[in-house]
Amino acid sequence: GAVVSQHPSWVICKSGTSVKIECRSLDFQATTMFWYRQFPKQSLMLMATSNEGSKATYEQGVEKDKFLINHASLTLSTLTVTSAHPEDSSFYICSARKVETQYFGPGTRLLVL
Amino acid sequence: GNSVTQMEGPVTLSEEAFLTINCTYTATGYPSPFWYVQYPGEGLQLLLKATKADDKGSNKGFEATYRKETTSFHLEKGSVQVSDSAVYFCALNTGNQFYFGTGTSLTVIP
Repeated sequence: GAVVSQHPSWVICKSGTSVKIECRSLDFQATTMFWYRQFPKQSLMLMATSNEGSKATYEQGVEKDKFLINHASLTLSTLTVTSAHPEDSSFYICSARKVETQYFGPGTRLLVL
Repeated sequence: GNSVTQMEGPVTLSEEAFLTINCTYTATGYPSPFWYVQYPGEGLQLLLKATKADDKGSNKGFEATYRKETTSFHLEKGSVQVSDSAVYFCALNTGNQFYFGTGTSLTVIP
């Protein structure tokens, strides 16, 4: 199999706080994981590519100091939204690469009040 | 550059109707196409894929054939069910990166 989990599934936080989202590959090792953001009724927007043991590669327009990514092991990548603001409210989805296929987590819905 | 173009929705069909969602792409090299499905409030699930030209991917009654000559990977199902209501994404793996279409929302009514 190829199962990817995310935690938490949804989170509500106050403006100015930081939120950490975990992405785990449960039954395989993933040297590469991806973080996406999805707005209502829209496609996925790739935010960054997370590589185990090295710095993440961010897409143009994504603030790396705002969205901190850590890929400390072959089964875990974390995305920390620092000093969250209401405009950061969104659905965040991670995926992990196994051979030539991406397997997605169930997503994390973030609401910043 | 590389890109994926898929049929815009929303699509509304009656149960047992035939479904086609078109997907075409532009890419260099030897890309591999995929279809993912997203049910409401969930992440994306791999539906089917193809790895080489003329491959047919199939799953849960859905099929798609990788046509290199027309750079297409259209999704089809002969008889849709209410439970197929979801958003369908066409995607392309170029080896370095995945490219996603904008998604097609499908609603199947009883």
